[in-house]
Amino acid sequence: SQQGEEDPQALSIQEGENATMNCSYKTSINNLQWYRQNSGRGLVHLILIRSNEREKHSGRLRVTLDTSKKSSSLLITASRAADTASYFCAGSGNTPLVFGKGTRLSVIA
Amino acid sequence: ETGVTQSPTHLIKTRGQQVTLRCSSQSGHNTVSWYQQALGQGPQFIFQYYREEENGRGNFPPRFSGLQFPNYSSELNVNALELDDSALYLCASSQYTGETQYFGPGTRLLVL
Repeated sequence: SQQGEEDPQALSIQEGENATMNCSYKTSINNLQWYRQNSGRGLVHLILIRSNEREKHSGRLRVTLDTSKKSSSLLITASRAADTASYFCAGSGNTPLVFGKGTRLSVIA
Repeated sequence: ETGVTQSPTHLIKTRGQQVTLRCSSQSGHNTVSWYQQALGQGPQFIFQYYREEENGRGNFPPRFSGLQFPNYSSELNVNALELDDSALYLCASSQYTGETQYFGPGTRLLVL
């Protein structure tokens, strides 16, 4: 399965700082997706990067993908208290998404 | 808001009982996936339905079953509930398998 494993498990930063989270997966993928989850609620899709893309931006988000290393990173710039959440990655092939345990980001005002 | 709705929002059952959870997909989506998320863990894939047929299943026992209806809404049924079934159950719809999934707010199930 195209499992996502996020690193670090937890991250605490000051408001205004950048946050970087990493993701590794095991098998070939068509795309890699990042999601955010606020406490106890549903996941919200952030960004999808395809296997033939190396970098993608969306607002304050920057995602990179290295298929040779089977890894991805999510950068959140100029973080805000509202960015406090858990972040999950999942690689997708022709099978459904498989998520890791996520990175818990705390942004302190 | 994603347009995916789930009911009920919360549910308390006792061990051995049966439960049915419901999900209404986002308009235009013919694929629905169900996930179980235990506290502090990531969502675990239960199964997926595409146009009313099961299209993949995770490592869950047969007492977890599902249905997808012609309007693409879906049900998750769990028989013989166990304490470890206590979790947040999430459904997600998508237009195509493997593409962006749109999650509902979840149903929190507590088994006593």
